[in-house]
Amino acid sequence: SQELEQSPQSLIVQEGKNLTINCTSSKTLYGLYWYKQKYGEGLIFLMMLQKGGEEKSHEKITAKLDEKKQQSSLHITASQPSHAGIYLCGAGRTGANNLFFGTGTRLTVIP
Amino acid sequence: NAGVTQTPKFRVLKTGQSMTLLCAQDMNHEYMYWYRQDPGMGLRLIHYSVGEGTTAKGEVPDGYNVSRLKKQNFLLGLESAAPSQTSVYFCASSYSPEANYGYTFGSGTRLTVV
Repeated sequence: SQELEQSPQSLIVQEGKNLTINCTSSKTLYGLYWYKQKYGEGLIFLMMLQKGGEEKSHEKITAKLDEKKQQSSLHITASQPSHAGIYLCGAGRTGANNLFFGTGTRLTVIP
Repeated sequence: NAGVTQTPKFRVLKTGQSMTLLCAQDMNHEYMYWYRQDPGMGLRLIHYSVGEGTTAKGEVPDGYNVSRLKKQNFLLGLESAAPSQTSVYFCASSYSPEANYGYTFGSGTRLTVV
């Protein structure tokens, strides 16, 4: 069963609009990673969050991790066609040497 | 450019055939991973390695074997391909499992088993 639930599964927005993608876990997260995947390509690392309440930004993308470290959100301001792709959240398990991932959110930005 | 290189990029196999996917990284990373990506299933870990000469099973290891004879290379083998192994395979590497910059991923191998 999936331990990271992403919502929505897909999202279509008009260029210039803001949007939010969520990543939720039933267990405390130890390191939450956000990746972007362009169609037919590999994953590109966006940001990593570790501390409860932490927030990071890169250009027009902001990611937050809640205080309980069980939910993260990715917010894009004034979306552009270049933001289109699949966004995946990933997290580490305690004592494990690897990351597990959510099922992804497919974002389409209409010019 | 430094990074993770996967070969081949595309392959079509007949059921029962065997093949090896090659992953090479030039960043001197200790950890390497093989994931498969399927629609609606996200990325699932097949096998991983924590250093040269080591391998470990992930979530979905059945039907696959791996080897890490050299630090920079991580090979994924399919001994007898099945249609259920049709997928996109991604290799990744990192200097530690909790790397602050995450994993570096290859561009993927799209495998179809007919």
